[in-house]
Amino acid sequence: AQSVTQLGSHVSVSEGALVLLRCNYSSSVPPYLFWYVQYPNQGLQLLLKYTSAATLVKGINGFEAEFKKSETSFHLTKPSAHMSDAAEYFCAVSDRGTGTGTASKLTFGTGTRLQVTL
Amino acid sequence: DTGVSQDPRHKITKRGQNVTFRCDPISEHNRLYWYRQTLGQGPEFLTYFQNEAQLEKSRLLSDRFSAERPKGSFSTLEIQRTEQGDSAMYLCASSFPVGRSYNEQFFGPGTRLTVL
Repeated sequence: AQSVTQLGSHVSVSEGALVLLRCNYSSSVPPYLFWYVQYPNQGLQLLLKYTSAATLVKGINGFEAEFKKSETSFHLTKPSAHMSDAAEYFCAVSDRGTGTGTASKLTFGTGTRLQVTL
Repeated sequence: DTGVSQDPRHKITKRGQNVTFRCDPISEHNRLYWYRQTLGQGPEFLTYFQNEAQLEKSRLLSDRFSAERPKGSFSTLEIQRTEQGDSAMYLCASSFPVGRSYNEQFFGPGTRLTVL
């Protein structure tokens, strides 16, 4: 079974400050890892994904995440927060779907709401 | 480029009524997923189709829930005899086969269900 733990349900940063959203995962098989962003009353938009090609993954809107196997972590960072970054962020894990018909469903964390203040 | 679309966006119904939601995936995608998201939680997997075949269902999907994807294109999710606990956002996602896409799933805007 796979699981994701997101530490901190709410994170508040000042505009221009570093953003750090924490994600730890549990998986018995090599995982794929994802960060999604959700704005109010909208679906989820993919920020970035880890597929084992590189441990430091760059995504859209200046976000990046580093896969650390020894720490089972995949924390999301952005050097300088912008007001438009205020949203809910979800970390997700899936297997690699090597079996025929394997669902490769995403297992999500409970989310971190990012607030950006002036 | 049309993404994943869902209809309706909002549905308010009375307890005991049946409701049906529709999802239109990205046309080239053969995999389609349904998730449910309750307030303050992350999405939870409900069921999955590969083409027209429903290959996996979560234990969350009670007998009152049924999903179809008759021609391997759009999908419907029906909830019979709705209960207040069914109030949630229902999200649809689609993807290419994992080997081609690293399981990148594209989500629709969701259908928000309120059961009174």
